[in-house]
Amino acid sequence: GESVGLHLPTLSVQEGDNSIINCAYSNSASDYFIWYKQESGKGPQFIIDIRSNMDKRQGQRVTVLLNKTVKHLSLQIAATQPGDSAVYFCAENIGGNTDKLIFGTGTRLQVFP
Amino acid sequence: GAVVSQHPSRVICKSGTSVKIECRSLDFQATTMFWYRQFPKQSLMLMATSNEGSKATYEQGVEKDKFLINHASLTLSTLTVTSAHPEDSSFYICSASEGQETQYFGPGTRLLVL
Repeated sequence: GESVGLHLPTLSVQEGDNSIINCAYSNSASDYFIWYKQESGKGPQFIIDIRSNMDKRQGQRVTVLLNKTVKHLSLQIAATQPGDSAVYFCAENIGGNTDKLIFGTGTRLQVFP
Repeated sequence: GAVVSQHPSRVICKSGTSVKIECRSLDFQATTMFWYRQFPKQSLMLMATSNEGSKATYEQGVEKDKFLINHASLTLSTLTVTSAHPEDSSFYICSASEGQETQYFGPGTRLLVL
């Protein structure tokens, strides 16, 4: 079936650099996308979301970009900090009358000094 | 912000016993709650969707008689793993929604079946 996938399973960045985490989705009907951060042994934490009628949304130190043409989603983290180390998941809501989310496989972000 | 709690956070049980996990929305009414399972180094897999006062909708491949879900109120949903076996050992996570698209996740419950 259709699913959300990620290009990079692990991303290592130096503290202070910018991080870019990518996600490819395959369901063209998806109209809402969310990025979650999950630290070890904890539940996912909402980072930022974006609707399909937008192509960019900014938060505090984070930016989400949506390219519907190629069905690609990215999360940019500015000035990456050690506290950003975690696994990041993208998730898509396929719309319709359901709020179900389909999660991607996840990318582990490692921040080194 | 919206807070979701789970209890217990960690449980160890013997094979063949049943385990109940609670999911509570602390400061909002959750019309819909979701239950996920996550194996080590893997993504979250949706098990079922439950709406208050109605039967849960299970995802394909999830045994409804093994994973009993009850959503008796707008702030509480429970997942009971019946006759648990070692292969049921996993990280179980619930989320709650007010009816909007945003899901608020609980901290998870680590289940270990011996």
